[in-house]
Amino acid sequence: EAGVTQFPSHSVIEKGQTVTLRCDPISGHDNLYWYRRVMGKEIKFLLHFVKESKQDESGMPNNRFLAERTGGTYSTLKVQPAELEDSGVYFCASSPQGYAEAFFGQGTRLTVV
Amino acid sequence: AQSVTQPDIHITVSEGASLELRCNYSYGATPYLFWYVQSPGQGLQLLLKYFSGDTLVQGIKGFEAEFKRSQSSFNLRKPSVHWSDAAEYFCAVGLYNSGNTPLVFGKGTRLSVIA
Repeated sequence: EAGVTQFPSHSVIEKGQTVTLRCDPISGHDNLYWYRRVMGKEIKFLLHFVKESKQDESGMPNNRFLAERTGGTYSTLKVQPAELEDSGVYFCASSPQGYAEAFFGQGTRLTVV
Repeated sequence: AQSVTQPDIHITVSEGASLELRCNYSYGATPYLFWYVQSPGQGLQLLLKYFSGDTLVQGIKGFEAEFKRSQSSFNLRKPSVHWSDAAEYFCAVGLYNSGNTPLVFGKGTRLSVIA
């Protein structure tokens, strides 16, 4: 069974540009989470989908971040326009409904220059 | 609000030596507790988890952790470290009995292993 897959693994963009990160969860997992780790800081929650609905987006830093989950399958996280402080590693995780353990992807390292 | 503290940012141990990584949490209820590891270029891998029952839990790669409610701690241990254990380790908590809530992570402890 395939694990959580994230694309791209690494992205370098200039300030002001747009970047879209993609996450393919484990098939059948209703829950999908986005987390972010800024260098030297803890991994922080961004938002949570249950199927295609946003369950909790309290961790989204500002309205430059837009997350979608098409048909309850894969998810995208768009940053527009990107700022220097958006640099970090973005993790996606998924889990079945009612399951506390989350399965993480390898992360996307975003560098904004 | 819940929080997780990993007081050691970086630890260096000799190969074959024992290891203990500390984790303290602040939570108003009984938490779910996790340890994850991130090796260079890899994603977060679950080492072990505690939900209830026996407070000493065994994980993969020879790791174990002990839940101590009185100390609000969930320290990770390994009796003999291997060079391949060099990685970053994250302690995390989740809300008990609400399986879909997001995890709260500590800042991580980077482990270096020397010969």
